[in-house]
Amino acid sequence: KQEVTQIPAALSVPEGENLVLNCSFTDSAIYNLQWFRQDPGKGLTSLLLIQSSQREQTSGRLNASLDKSSGRSTLYIAASQPGDSATYLCAVRFQGGSEKLVFGKGMKLTVNP
Amino acid sequence: GAVVSQHPSWVICKSGTSVKIECRSLDFQATTMFWYRQFPKQSLMLMATSNEGSKATYEQGVEKDKFLINHASLTLSTLTVTSAHPEDSSFYICSAQHGAQNIQYFGAGTRLSVL
Repeated sequence: KQEVTQIPAALSVPEGENLVLNCSFTDSAIYNLQWFRQDPGKGLTSLLLIQSSQREQTSGRLNASLDKSSGRSTLYIAASQPGDSATYLCAVRFQGGSEKLVFGKGMKLTVNP
Repeated sequence: GAVVSQHPSWVICKSGTSVKIECRSLDFQATTMFWYRQFPKQSLMLMATSNEGSKATYEQGVEKDKFLINHASLTLSTLTVTSAHPEDSSFYICSAQHGAQNIQYFGAGTRLSVL
């Protein structure tokens, strides 16, 4: 079964820390992996998309890496700010004919001032 | 980036009524759209895949007669929750597949509250 796991489910840190969010997936045959941010009661904001052929993507203070062979991706957040507080979701599009995304349960991040 | 509009953003209805949610891709054509449901403090669960001009493909456990999906054009898919009950109260989010970019773009979601 194709699954995506995010551990821990929640994280609370003081402002300024560098953070690593983890995502693991059960099947290395993927098309792409995407990190999203979701604020309470809101929709999804796409942060970074990594294609299967890529190892990492960067946008501002965010860096996402992909290691297909181990079934892992990390989202690195540099110099965290209170405004980074949100739930972060990892989603994978697996190979196999379907275009659907499989989501992890998300990690709720709280950055304290 | 591409924009997906979802309407309404919030709806309250009485038990037994039907509610229609629209999902539009504003600046690209989407042959495939997806409907997700999210319960409080849970992740997104795919309900169905909507294909333009053909029947939707429903995930296991999703009642196709209760959640009617129509994808009549390349820019519009609708989800109708028929005879809604309180247990249908949830956050519904759609996405549209951008064929050229091979990326799903998400709507802002619809919060449904059934009284």
